[in-house]
Amino acid sequence: NAGVTQTPKFQVLKTGQSMTLQCAQDMNHNSMYWYRQDPGMGLRLIYYSASEGTTDKGEVPNGYNVSRLNKREFSLRLESAAPSQTSVYFCASTTGGGRLFNYGYTFGSGTRLTVV
Amino acid sequence: GENVEQHPSTLSVQEGDSAVIKCTYSDSASNYFPWYKQELGKRPQLIIDIRSNVGEKKDQRIAVTLNKTAKHFSLHITETQPEDSAVYFCAAIVGSARQLTFGSGTQLTVLP
Repeated sequence: NAGVTQTPKFQVLKTGQSMTLQCAQDMNHNSMYWYRQDPGMGLRLIYYSASEGTTDKGEVPNGYNVSRLNKREFSLRLESAAPSQTSVYFCASTTGGGRLFNYGYTFGSGTRLTVV
Repeated sequence: GENVEQHPSTLSVQEGDSAVIKCTYSDSASNYFPWYKQELGKRPQLIIDIRSNVGEKKDQRIAVTLNKTAKHFSLHITETQPEDSAVYFCAAIVGSARQLTFGSGTQLTVLP
């Protein structure tokens, strides 16, 4: 049981380049999330998907797009990377909202992205 | 939206002493408050959590207290050890999709 798997683990981009961060979970979770963590700060929510087929903006969505490809996979895309997007990105999943929530969050191991 | 404030940002204690980290939240609808420990280069790991219908919860050397009226909750670590050194984050859950809002973190250093 792998839990939440993120790829790649490290990436260096040039300003203006695009890339997609991949996230997959094998726990049959309904809800998935993308967070970013900047030095000295807590994690901030970029986008989330409460269930397959839905996505919503979080606290810091500008410059990002997401796709909930199926129940397992939730990708984060940077269309034109900027140095301000240098950060560590964490994907997470939960059983779901409302009564589905089992009070547990599972985090991936993170993607360390540097934009130069 | 929810806002979670965390204090202090850094905390140094002698081995064996206690450490206390405090958080406040803004949304009275929040009903779940987890605490995470994050070591350098690692993902956040849940160490303890508390639900809004409970005032206190303890797990060995770690305890969390919640005051819903005042909208604050605290992490207490007793008999600290060097391996407790890490960054600790409080968080609150709000919203139908159970989104987590994190505090800014506390760098705890336990001095041997």
